[in-house]
Amino acid sequence: EDKVVQSPLSLVVHEGDTVTLNCSYEVTNFRSLLWYKQEKKAPTFLFMLTSSGIEKKSGRLSSILDKKELFSILNITATQTGDSAVYLCAVCPTHGSGNTGKLIFGQGTTLQVKP
Amino acid sequence: EAQVTQNPRYLITVTGKKLTVTCSQNMNHEYMSWYRQDPGLGLRQIYYSMNVEVTDKGDVPEGYKVSRKEKRNFPLILESPSPNQTSLYFCASSPRGQGRRNEQFFGPGTRLTVL
Repeated sequence: EDKVVQSPLSLVVHEGDTVTLNCSYEVTNFRSLLWYKQEKKAPTFLFMLTSSGIEKKSGRLSSILDKKELFSILNITATQTGDSAVYLCAVCPTHGSGNTGKLIFGQGTTLQVKP
Repeated sequence: EAQVTQNPRYLITVTGKKLTVTCSQNMNHEYMSWYRQDPGLGLRQIYYSMNVEVTDKGDVPEGYKVSRKEKRNFPLILESPSPNQTSLYFCASSPRGQGRRNEQFFGPGTRLTVL
């Protein structure tokens, strides 16, 4: 059975700290891994990763994928209170021709950044 | 403005009373999906659609129906709602294209309570 597991499930840090969120997966025919941020509303897209070892970066956020060890990490440096949210990891399996809209989500990591 | 819209945003109903949650996107996306989000379980895919008249079951399709008669609309139908379908529902869409089909854009969510 395909599954995605995130850790930790929740995390409390102070502003300025650096955090690392983990996502491990077991998926038949992996295609891509995605990270989303959810703040009391709909998830918003952060990154999509398809290749091992290539870091994606956006401001203070960065992410990398290890397809051999089947995991990804999301790093947030110099955290701010506005980073408080649920961070979701999702994996897209490929199937047949590869044309699917299927996504398998992890449980999410709830990050709270205190002033 | 490019967006995914859902209606209603909030709904309280009773067991067995058929309901439909509408979803519409104005981005000409081929792929559309429905998810439910429950505490501790993350986002779980109910149904997805790769194009008009093409739909497939996600991980938790029981008790739900969908249709895709037009590209922009993807309604979710609960023929006979039960209390275990109380949840937060998200519709999402994504474009066709190498890798891009996974970058799903989410609607604002529909909070459904079944008494």
